[in-house]
Amino acid sequence: DAGVIQSPRHEVTEMGQEVTLRCKPISGHDYLFWYRQTMMRGLELLIYFNNNVPIDDSGMPEDRFSAKMPNASFSTLKIQPSEPRDSAVYFCASSLGGIGFTDTQYFGPGTRLTVL
Amino acid sequence: GENVEQHPSTLSVQEGDSAVIKCTYSDSASNYFPWYKQELGKGPQLIIDIRSNVGEKKDQRIAVTLNKTAKHFSLHITETQPEDSAVYFCAASNNDMRFGAGTRLTVKP
Repeated sequence: DAGVIQSPRHEVTEMGQEVTLRCKPISGHDYLFWYRQTMMRGLELLIYFNNNVPIDDSGMPEDRFSAKMPNASFSTLKIQPSEPRDSAVYFCASSLGGIGFTDTQYFGPGTRLTVL
Repeated sequence: GENVEQHPSTLSVQEGDSAVIKCTYSDSASNYFPWYKQELGKGPQLIIDIRSNVGEKKDQRIAVTLNKTAKHFSLHITETQPEDSAVYFCAASNNDMRFGAGTRLTVKP
């Protein structure tokens, strides 16, 4: 398997623009997670899905952030409008199953977002 | 919610020496403790994990110990090599996953 795939790898945009990050989880994995990594706050869970259904989005910082998983092989994280403080590396991860967070999570390579 | 503290934030060792990274957690219900290694420009990769019904686990040069009573767990890397240089994250989970702040390990040749 190719592992978790994320695109784009780098995104530079201007404040106020819409940003869409994409993720393809490992085939057969039931859980998908979106994380944000910054120097100040470390790794933060934004939202996670189980069988394409959003389970917990309490980590989403604001209404400007939204995530969807229309099918088992694709998810998007959208920021609209983007702000400079959204600059971070965004990771997608997937896991096979288990109860909640007790199974191995496999991370993608991340998308480095810079909002000018 | 869970709170995970990780120490030290940076660690420099000579090649061949051992490295130890320690984490504490707050939620006694946490039952899964993975360790991730993150190299520059890459996503975190699981290197070893331990569940609450086990006190110690070893995989070649890497070992993890868990003390549930004290709510702390540690990563031990023996015979370190330059390719072990990376940022290491601990995590604790029950109904959610919380990561430590990370330890930047440098192994000097």
